[in-house]
Amino acid sequence: GAVVSQHPSWVICKSGTSVKIECRSLDFQATTMFWYRQFPKQSLMLMATSNEGSKATYEQGVEKDKFLINHASLTLSTLTVTSAHPEDSSFYICSARVAGLADTQYFGPGTRLTVL
Amino acid sequence: AQTVTQSQPEMSVQEAETVTLSCTYDTSENNYYLFWYKQPPSRQMILVIRQEAYKQQNATENRFSVNFQKAAKSFSLKISDSQLGDTAMYFCAFMKLGGSQGNLIFGKGTKLSVKP
Repeated sequence: GAVVSQHPSWVICKSGTSVKIECRSLDFQATTMFWYRQFPKQSLMLMATSNEGSKATYEQGVEKDKFLINHASLTLSTLTVTSAHPEDSSFYICSARVAGLADTQYFGPGTRLTVL
Repeated sequence: AQTVTQSQPEMSVQEAETVTLSCTYDTSENNYYLFWYKQPPSRQMILVIRQEAYKQQNATENRFSVNFQKAAKSFSLKISDSQLGDTAMYFCAFMKLGGSQGNLIFGKGTKLSVKP
């Protein structure tokens, strides 16, 4: 149980285009999902917290107009990188919080974004 | 603000031996969770073990156990009978209990190499 999927697993796009990444909880409902960014050989940096049916909460320094987050249902959250630039290239990981199970977060497999 | 410190950037251990990864944290909270996550080369974050701060008994999951010292704010991970598949980055994480968001705060990670 507690499986989280991400799609796509990798994507290459041209500078200036937008990219959408999906995060799904496959066998449970997640009222809260999280989006992280991980640079090579570094830890995970929380970008934003996504609550179903409400606006996402962004961490300091994260541009909310650039990283659009939508949590339309209890099993789906999306991250859209708008007008992507090469510096947005990174590994993006989502997680879903299982309330009541020691509030554990289960992670998706990540999405490698490369902006040319 | 809470912080998590992993003082060992890299460690290695021989197969079948035991290794201990260190983690300390700083918080003024009394109720919280602590986690160890593993990130193998596939980059999928995998929950290894979790500990509720109100529990005095150290958590154990098969070959993985923790030494939780609340007063010292220490949370080390012991891996017994190390296997080649244990090779990965290991992240220690803190989460405040009862928070509406449930944010995880990660340490910088320890890269563990298990040698045959």
